[in-house]
Amino acid sequence: GAVVSQHPSWVICKSGTSVKIECRSLDFQATTMFWYRQFPKQSLMLMATSNEGSKATYEQGVEKDKFLINHASLTLSTLTVTSAHPEDSSFYICSARPWTSESSYEQYFGPGTRLTVT
Amino acid sequence: GDSVTQMEGPVTLSEEAFLTINCTYTATGYPSLFWYVQYPGEGLQLLLKATKADDKGSNKGFEATYRKETTSFHLEKGSVQVSDSAVYFCALTGNTGGFKTIFGAGTRLFVKA
Repeated sequence: GAVVSQHPSWVICKSGTSVKIECRSLDFQATTMFWYRQFPKQSLMLMATSNEGSKATYEQGVEKDKFLINHASLTLSTLTVTSAHPEDSSFYICSARPWTSESSYEQYFGPGTRLTVT
Repeated sequence: GDSVTQMEGPVTLSEEAFLTINCTYTATGYPSLFWYVQYPGEGLQLLLKATKADDKGSNKGFEATYRKETTSFHLEKGSVQVSDSAVYFCALTGNTGGFKTIFGAGTRLFVKA
């Protein structure tokens, strides 16, 4: 159980275009989803926390107008990279926290989406 | 703020060797502690967890004990296999600030046959 999927798994886009990445919890409901960015051989950097039905909370230094997050349902959150540039190329990983796990703070990670902007 | 420090890699071991990856943390309150593993090109998988002091998390031969007195959560395995080659992340989730998870820098492990 506790499977999180991401789509697409990889995407190549041209500079200036927008890309949407979906994160779905397949067998549980998630009131909270997180979006991370990982540069090669580095750790995960939290970009934002999204709660179903409310606006995402962005970490300091993350442009909310560039990285649009929508958490429309208890099983789906989307990250849209608007007007992408080569420096946005990265590995984007989402995670979802089941509403039943608040006491142990578990989260389940998606397989990641590799974005390459040319 | 909360932080996690883990030993730098890469760590290179021969098969069947003993593994220790050190992890220490700073946090207010009583965080939950985790070890995650990332195989090449994949997302993170939860390896083990501990939610309170003196808890021992274990999975697939890996173990880690939540030591509040030394603020540590070192990962150990008695006999590593080639298939254990991956990047290991120590992490904590605090009980303040929206329950965000803080990750260590990651330690890359290479196991040679």
